Amino acid sequence: DIQMTQSPSSLSASVGDRVTVTCRASQNVADFVNWFQKKPGEAPKLLIYAASNLHSGVPSRFSGGGSGTDFTLTISSLQTEDFATYYCQQTYSNPPTFGQGTRIEIK
Amino acid sequence: QVQLRESGPGLVKPSQTLSLTCSVSGDSIGRGGYYWGWIRQHPEKGLEYIGYIYYTGETFYNPSLKSRITISKDTSKNQLSLRLNSVTAADTAVYYCARAQVGHSAPLENWGQGTLVTVSS
Repeated sequence: DIQMTQSPSSLSASVGDRVTVTCRASQNVADFVNWFQKKPGEAPKLLIYAASNLHSGVPSRFSGGGSGTDFTLTISSLQTEDFATYYCQQTYSNPPTFGQGTRIEIK
Repeated sequence: QVQLRESGPGLVKPSQTLSLTCSVSGDSIGRGGYYWGWIRQHPEKGLEYIGYIYYTGETFYNPSLKSRITISKDTSKNQLSLRLNSVTAADTAVYYCARAQVGHSAPLENWGQGTLVTVSS
């Protein structure tokens, strides 16, 4: 299975901060990477698909980048509703696998 | 707007079979273009892709669970089903059904709210 490793595992930030989460794949996954937001008690929400494409209805402060093995999720100006856990996922090779998650907390 | 809703027993005894149903509204699981999958999240841990089914009936199962799982569909009821045999405490998790668009990166666009299944005697 392809391992997806996220960093950091958690971070503290303030409203208005620019935040970047990194995801590294154990082998080349081209741009077959999706990003999800997860809040306690809620279903995951798709933010970014195919590494850099913003899903419909997702605010433009979210952006994704990268290809091959290294990927990023950036929130340009953190809002209150963005405090959550974020997961990357690769779908290049079965089984699809997720990163372990990055928790963004209020500083 | 497609909606998915998981249902099933919240408590299952060890060694028994976990059975969950996902009811879909707003789309037909008999229509092509989407995979219909199951994903779970163990308490305080990450997400694990269990498997999916296509409208043709083609299935994919995560090799880590393949010997114990069956994913099926009932097009007449517009429902998916998940069966997981010989459960242990390690199968305690929130189980989600979701719809993924066929194509590049197959993103899981729509999710159910999830249902917590606890394996305990």
